[in-house]
Amino acid sequence: SQTIHQWPATLVQPVGSPLSLECTVEGTSNPNLYWYRQAAGRGLQLLFYSVGIGQISSEVPQNLSASRPQDRQFILSSKKLLLSDSGFYLCAWKAGGNQPQHFGDGTRLSIL
Amino acid sequence: RKEVEQDPGPFNVPEGATVAFNCTYSNSASQSFFWYRQDCRKEPKLLMSVYSSGNEDGRFTAQLNRASQYISLLIRDSKLSDSATYLCVVNRWNDMRFGAGTRLTVKP
Repeated sequence: SQTIHQWPATLVQPVGSPLSLECTVEGTSNPNLYWYRQAAGRGLQLLFYSVGIGQISSEVPQNLSASRPQDRQFILSSKKLLLSDSGFYLCAWKAGGNQPQHFGDGTRLSIL
Repeated sequence: RKEVEQDPGPFNVPEGATVAFNCTYSNSASQSFFWYRQDCRKEPKLLMSVYSSGNEDGRFTAQLNRASQYISLLIRDSKLSDSATYLCVVNRWNDMRFGAGTRLTVKP
């Protein structure tokens, strides 16, 4: 069966520090991969999605970036975090076509 | 206009009640539809897919009206454990769009 791993579960970072969140999927090949952010009490905001290695689509302009160095690995990065980057970050995967998404456990990021 | 709009909620209902959530979507080319459940401070989890003919899973019934671009979720005999936020999701190819969610609280 397919599983998705996302880490760390919580992270506290100072303003201006770099960020790297990693997500990996097992048990499937060529998944579509997604990064979302959810502010407290708000809906999901799609940040990036990828349909293949090296293919990244960005939904909103921001100081975050994403990379997909391997088929089942998706990384969210920032060179300098802002206070507004705080939130709950979720990675998700789906098979192609009309299949549903499946989410990792999420990373709760607090910026001080 | 948002691509996916849901009842704002919150819904506060007693145990055993029947509650219905509605959702509308703007892209008529949308191809697949889902309801997710999200507990506080947790990731969304797939509750059920929504099929054109309507489908049922235990106490949960989902309906889709493509002509009206409308999706619904009915929960019968509500349990305390049904308390969560319910997210309507619309998919076109690999583009998944989430509603903001409807908060449900089931009270004893």
